[in-house]
Amino acid sequence: AQTVTQSQPEMSVQEAETVTLSCTYDTSESNYYLFWYKQPPSRQMILVIRQEAYKQQNATENRFSVNFQKAAKSFSLKISDSQLGDTAMYFCAFRRYNTDKLIFGTGTRLQVFP
Amino acid sequence: DTEVTQTPKHLVMGMTNKKSLKCEQHMGHRAMYWYKQKAKKPPELMFVYSYEKLSINESVPSRFSPECPNSSLLNLHLHALQPEDSALYLCASSQVPSGGTYEQYFGPGTRLTVT
Repeated sequence: AQTVTQSQPEMSVQEAETVTLSCTYDTSESNYYLFWYKQPPSRQMILVIRQEAYKQQNATENRFSVNFQKAAKSFSLKISDSQLGDTAMYFCAFRRYNTDKLIFGTGTRLQVFP
Repeated sequence: DTEVTQTPKHLVMGMTNKKSLKCEQHMGHRAMYWYKQKAKKPPELMFVYSYEKLSINESVPSRFSPECPNSSLLNLHLHALQPEDSALYLCASSQVPSGGTYEQYFGPGTRLTVT
């Protein structure tokens, strides 16, 4: 069975600084997808960034980028130039190829301070 | 319009009540999902509908009964719930079932309290 581990329950960062959230996963599959979702307080969950396992190039979306290390089964999220609006719970998620089930990690609560 | 709507936002029900949660999307998505999220926990998948047919049931108790009347609408019928069923119920949709990196779009959720 696949598992996703986020070892940092809480993180904090000052506005404009950079922060990295960790995620590791366990799978025997070779084809899969990885996602970072953001859930702000009392607001709906939105996708931050996604990565296909077969792509070696790390995904980037504006201030958000990932460090995908397939051999190490690691998928960390880097947030550059942190903004107050980045304050949220961040979930790392895994999905096997050709399946519907998203497996979430336990989440990291990120607080951005002015 | 990349929006999934859910009604009601909040619901309080007794253990003998029957109620329904509603989810709607008009993005033409053909996969729809129900998740349960307890406080400070990640969402847990309950059901998946692919092309209006139930494709995944994650061993959910029968007091939760999903229904997909059409491609835009997803219901969750609730009956004889227990206090431990109190949670945020999230609906999501995706362009195609099992569809590559297509993301799941989440609704704002219905916060359910069972008394």
